[in-house]
Amino acid sequence: GAVVSQHPSRVICKSGTSVKIECRSLDFQATTMFWYRQFPKQSLMLMATSNEGSKATYEQGVEKDKFLINHASLTLSTLTVTSAHPEDSSFYICSASNLGQGSLEAFFGQGTRLTVV
Amino acid sequence: LAKTTQPISMDSYEGQEVNITCSHNNIATNDYITWYQQFPSQGPRFIIQGYKTKVTNEVASLFIPADRKSSTLSLPRVSLSDTAVYYCLVGNSGGYQKVTFGTGTKLQVIP
Repeated sequence: GAVVSQHPSRVICKSGTSVKIECRSLDFQATTMFWYRQFPKQSLMLMATSNEGSKATYEQGVEKDKFLINHASLTLSTLTVTSAHPEDSSFYICSASNLGQGSLEAFFGQGTRLTVV
Repeated sequence: LAKTTQPISMDSYEGQEVNITCSHNNIATNDYITWYQQFPSQGPRFIIQGYKTKVTNEVASLFIPADRKSSTLSLPRVSLSDTAVYYCLVGNSGGYQKVTFGTGTKLQVIP
């Protein structure tokens, strides 16, 4: 199946710094990628939809100025957590769709464990 | 996307067949039903997808009744490595679809 690679797998940063997470579709072109956040023992929460060549669409309650998304090419989307704080510590996951007509199949990266200290 | 309801958790002994049912009463005509598996600290992994009746692959079977208001994921002869959270999603790929997750079912396989 299609492969989505996410980097880094885990990162520790100091409060106030910014962290960039990359999501790449390795063997297909993804016009749309999705970014999720998952807190311990909870489900994935959709943060934003990343569209190649245009602005991302953010879910209600997600600060677009804090979570900067750039989808500059058909194989790469990045999420930058700006001015990170301990409450931003979470598991961040991206996904990309190799859209099949009438199907709903998304491929997920391995996730990034962010710890803000 | 149609809302889904699943049991929060299930326990099963090794070697048993496990059936996880998902309710999706407001499924739309062009919606598919997709199941994902997630291990701790990993991204979800696609298991199986179906539209109606029965679908089987090397990992699982998916049973969908005629009214499509529910579906059942069947895992044959589970092992300890099947301990994970299983998510049921309902939706279609019209345009920029969103994949939103419900609570999932935490399956614990017991030796």
